[in-house]
Amino acid sequence: EAGVAQSPRYKIIEKRQSVAFWCNPISGHATLYWYQQILGQGPKLLIQFQNNGVVDDSQLPKDRFSAERLKGVDSTLKIQPAKLEDSAVYLCASSLNGRGAFFGQGTRLTVV
Amino acid sequence: ILNVEQSPQSLHVQEGDSTNFTCSFPSSNFYALHWYRWETAKSPEALFVMTLNGDEKKKGRISATLNTKEGYSYLYIKGSQPEDSATYLCAPQTGANNLFFGTGTRLTVIP
Repeated sequence: EAGVAQSPRYKIIEKRQSVAFWCNPISGHATLYWYQQILGQGPKLLIQFQNNGVVDDSQLPKDRFSAERLKGVDSTLKIQPAKLEDSAVYLCASSLNGRGAFFGQGTRLTVV
Repeated sequence: ILNVEQSPQSLHVQEGDSTNFTCSFPSSNFYALHWYRWETAKSPEALFVMTLNGDEKKKGRISATLNTKEGYSYLYIKGSQPEDSATYLCAPQTGANNLFFGTGTRLTVIP
């Protein structure tokens, strides 16, 4: 069974630039999560999808972050414009039945 | 948003020592408790999922217990090995799909 795929693995951008991350969940997993993990902190949920609908985006900074999951499969997370404090690992995870999540390897973003 | 606390934040132990960490969470609306192991540059890996008060799970030298009434879980590692070095995350779950992560305990096992 293929795992959760994320790309790119690493990204370095200047502040005020835009960036997008892509996630392909495990086939058949209806739930998809995007987490932000800042160095020294635990992963923070940014947004949760159930199929192509948003379940929870209460911690998503909507002035600069957006996410979509068209067709209920792949998802993209975008930051526009990026700030220095957005430097973090962005983890995508998927879940079949709510009994835990399987994670991708993450995208490490550095904003300079 | 759930307030999840893990302690200690970091820990250094000698190879062969046994150790344990704590995860505290609100006991209301409890659905399940997950433990993950996260090695640098890898994906977080699921260790255990526990749902019932008094649950105990074991995987090799690693075990976990759960107390849903008082809102805590312990993770134990017996005879720590260098390959156990990782960040251990707990994630209580409320409802069917909401996982909230603690800040993790970073374990370093010194050979």
